[in-house]
Amino acid sequence: EVQLLESGGGLVQPGGSLRLSCAASGLTFNTYALTWVRQAAGKGLEWVSVITGSGGSSYYAASVKGRFTISRDNSKNTLYLQMNSLRAEDTAVYYCMIGEGVWGQGTTVTVSS
Amino acid sequence: DIQMTQSPSSLSASVGDRVTITCQASQDITNYLNWYQQKPGKAPKLLIYDASNLETGVPSRFSGSGSGTDFTFTINSLQPEDIATYYCQQYENLLVTFGGGTKVEIK
Repeated sequence: EVQLLESGGGLVQPGGSLRLSCAASGLTFNTYALTWVRQAAGKGLEWVSVITGSGGSSYYAASVKGRFTISRDNSKNTLYLQMNSLRAEDTAVYYCMIGEGVWGQGTTVTVSS
Repeated sequence: DIQMTQSPSSLSASVGDRVTITCQASQDITNYLNWYQQKPGKAPKLLIYDASNLETGVPSRFSGSGSGTDFTFTINSLQPEDIATYYCQQYENLLVTFGGGTKVEIK
């Protein structure tokens, strides 16, 4: 069974940084592109970023480009999202997922002073 | 980016009713479409993949159809436990996108 497990969320002040992690199991990790999706309270699902299986290519939503960096360590079966210059509007539950429909349980990021 | 237009944004139906949700893609996505159910505080749960395939363990009252740009999701005989928000999602390319969601309530 494929499992994704996020960690690293928390409370951070505006302008601060956080690094989210997503540990994967039950799959050949380096053959899957991995995606971060976020969901603000009471809102819909928003695509944030994706990275190819090799890690050679990555893409970002306009709302996070230049502030967030996606990466992966295929030796550790782990996906990351480095979030810098955080804003109140980044407050959300962050999920890692595989496009074919596997999701983690989410980790909550709150940006507030 | 591929835009997904989902409708309606909310609906109210009686137990036992048939419920239909539609999703339209801004370009051809063949059948690379998932349907999810999301309950408050939980991650989305995959119900239908590849537009019409029922995920293992999902009740058969849920179904999906369509290809290309137009897709339909149906709940036959709505049950109280089906109260949730439903989303479509395309995965034709790396940049997955989602419909805006449909909140289903019991009348």
